Amino acid sequence: DVKVTQSSRYLVKRTGEKVFLECVQDMDHENMFWYRQDPGLGLRLIYFSYDVKMKEKGDIPEGYSVSREKKERFSLILESASTNQTSMYLCASSFSRDNEQFFGPGTRLTVL
Amino acid sequence: GENVEQHPSTLSVQEGDSAVIKCTYSDSASNYFPWYKQELGKGPQLIIDIRSNVGEKKDQRIAVTLNKTAKHFSLHITETQPEDSAVYFCAASRVGKIIFGKGTRLHILP
Repeated sequence: DVKVTQSSRYLVKRTGEKVFLECVQDMDHENMFWYRQDPGLGLRLIYFSYDVKMKEKGDIPEGYSVSREKKERFSLILESASTNQTSMYLCASSFSRDNEQFFGPGTRLTVL
Repeated sequence: GENVEQHPSTLSVQEGDSAVIKCTYSDSASNYFPWYKQELGKGPQLIIDIRSNVGEKKDQRIAVTLNKTAKHFSLHITETQPEDSAVYFCAASRVGKIIFGKGTRLHILP
């Protein structure tokens, strides 16, 4: 059974902290994605990666960075967390571009 | 920038009736149109998708239609059941760059 796991379901951090959100997939997928989901705004793409050590900006990359050192792992980094980054963060992976994405369960991040 | 509009934002239908959700997209080069269903506490899951070389696709009670000229695609769910209650997202993609609609919360009324 295909699986995308995220390191935490719930996370509470303070303003200014550096935050790491980890995502691991076990399907040997090339592509991995990070989204944030906010009420009324749907899913917005933050960053995506088509290969190890490659990354591309999505629609809302400001305030975020990513790391993909291994094929199965894609990390989202908030260098200095701010309250407007309080959100649900979803990771996904896919075998190829323009194909089904498999989503993790999400991490609900609260920044105080 | 590129955009995907999804309507309605909320939809309530009687169990057994049909539900229709509509999306329009702005990037005429989009070639892949997936629909995802998100249940409470879970990540979205693909329920059906269609590519730009196809006008219609059906999978049991679910169908999707695509009108490339109008840049419009729709999800049709027939004979709705309680387990169809969820949030549905449409999306348009081009070479991996995907844009999602804002979602439709579907309520199936008993």
